[in-house]
Amino acid sequence: KAGVTQTPRYLIKTRGQQVTLSCSPISGHRSVSWYQQTPGQGLQFLFEYFSETQRNKGNFPGRFSGRQFSNSRSEMNVSTLELGDSALYLCASSLGTSGGVVTDTQYFGPGTRLTVL
Amino acid sequence: SQQGEEDPQALSIQEGENATMNCSYKTSINNLQWYRQNSGRGLVHLILIRSNEREKHSGRLRVTLDTSKKSSSLLITASRAADTASYFCAPANRDDKIIFGKGTRLHILP
Repeated sequence: KAGVTQTPRYLIKTRGQQVTLSCSPISGHRSVSWYQQTPGQGLQFLFEYFSETQRNKGNFPGRFSGRQFSNSRSEMNVSTLELGDSALYLCASSLGTSGGVVTDTQYFGPGTRLTVL
Repeated sequence: SQQGEEDPQALSIQEGENATMNCSYKTSINNLQWYRQNSGRGLVHLILIRSNEREKHSGRLRVTLDTSKKSSSLLITASRAADTASYFCAPANRDDKIIFGKGTRLHILP
C-alpha cells in the first residue's frame, strides 16, 4: 500500500500570499489530520477531517482552513501568510473508524516545508 | 484533550546502550501511543498501548504504562545510530485530538 503523500514537498512564499497544501491519505483511510511543526512551538494540531467534515480543530486563527474531498484527499489553505507561518506542515491519515481520531494509529506523510519570506 | 510531557528533553548515549524515555500525562486515558521523528520528516508510529495493558514489546522496543502514576516509558535496547531521532508520546481519550509534547531528542553516539 502506498503511504501518505504530501505535495509540494517544499514551498517558498512571500508575506501576504496564500498557499494550498495537499495530502493524499493511505487508501481506505477516512480520517486526515494536519499538524504544524516549528522549532519554537513543537508539533501543534491544526484540524482533523473525517468523511469530508471537520471533526476536531486546534487553536489556530481563521487564516488556516482545510477541506476534505469525497476520495478522502485533503487540502489545507493558509491565507495572508505571515513570517511565523514558516514551518513543516504534516498530515496524517488513519482509518478513523473508532469514532475518535486518537484511537487509531496515525500514519504521517513526509511533510511540506513552507518558508515565508 | 491532553498533552504528554516527555522527559528528558534530550538524551545522548553510546551505541549499544539502552535508552529510556518517560512520558507523563494528567487525566485518564484510553490508550497511549509513541511516535518517532527523524530530522525534518514525518512521524512514524512505533507502538500503541491500551489503558488495560501494562507492558508491550515490539522488536527492540519495550513500552510500559502505569495508569496509577499516569506515566509511560519507552525503552530502546541495544541502541543503533539509526535510532537517533525525536520521540513523542501521545496519550489520548476517545474523541480527543492528539496533542504532542516537545518530545525527547535522542542522539546515539558512535
